[in-house]
Amino acid sequence: QQQVKQSPQSLIVQKGGISIINCAYENTAFDYFPWYQQFPGKGPALLIAIRPDVSEKKEGRFTISFNKSAKQFSLHIMDSQPGDSATYFCAASGNAGNMLTFGGGTRLMVKP
Amino acid sequence: KAGVTQTPRYLIKTRGQQVTLSCSPISGHRSVSWYQQTPGQGLQFLFEYFSETQRNKGNFPGRFSGRQFSNSRSEMNVSTLELGDSALYLCASSLVGPGNTIYFGEGSWLTVV
Repeated sequence: QQQVKQSPQSLIVQKGGISIINCAYENTAFDYFPWYQQFPGKGPALLIAIRPDVSEKKEGRFTISFNKSAKQFSLHIMDSQPGDSATYFCAASGNAGNMLTFGGGTRLMVKP
Repeated sequence: KAGVTQTPRYLIKTRGQQVTLSCSPISGHRSVSWYQQTPGQGLQFLFEYFSETQRNKGNFPGRFSGRQFSNSRSEMNVSTLELGDSALYLCASSLVGPGNTIYFGEGSWLTVV
């Protein structure tokens, strides 16, 4: 059972544009929502994370928007750069230890 | 500060064999978890260890097992390998408690032929 649904599966954006990736979750026990970035041949690396007590968190060009009532959260990458081309995963975890449930991933390509 | 270290990075095994993968967590991290990554199923949680005890387990058959040592290093074992076990196996470590950043290693690429 996929508890975190991520869309789109792939995304092509022009350099300088905004990349938007969306995720929806089902389990209301989730209370920590990180985003990971993965380059080919590398392990996932934490990009930014949010807890449900805030609706938005911004770090540099990366922003998470969180809608608790809709059980949805999204990643916005402003001024997208070719170096941002990677696969992005949303994830969620609850109080049951450090166990992440991942979305299916979005392959982002930023064209120069 | 060294990151999560996994060995071996690449290995090829034959169906029916067994394999052991190793993971050294970041210094000070006592929670170690394992994930399987495949193109079809994505990233799936295998199990988490803390203080040498399995704290959480994902939905994988009993052929997948793990353990953690007193120095927090961890190993996972897959017995009676199947072709479908071909995947990238990722180890991750973190401080204890929910909401702490989970850091991933670069993974062990397993190919079963």
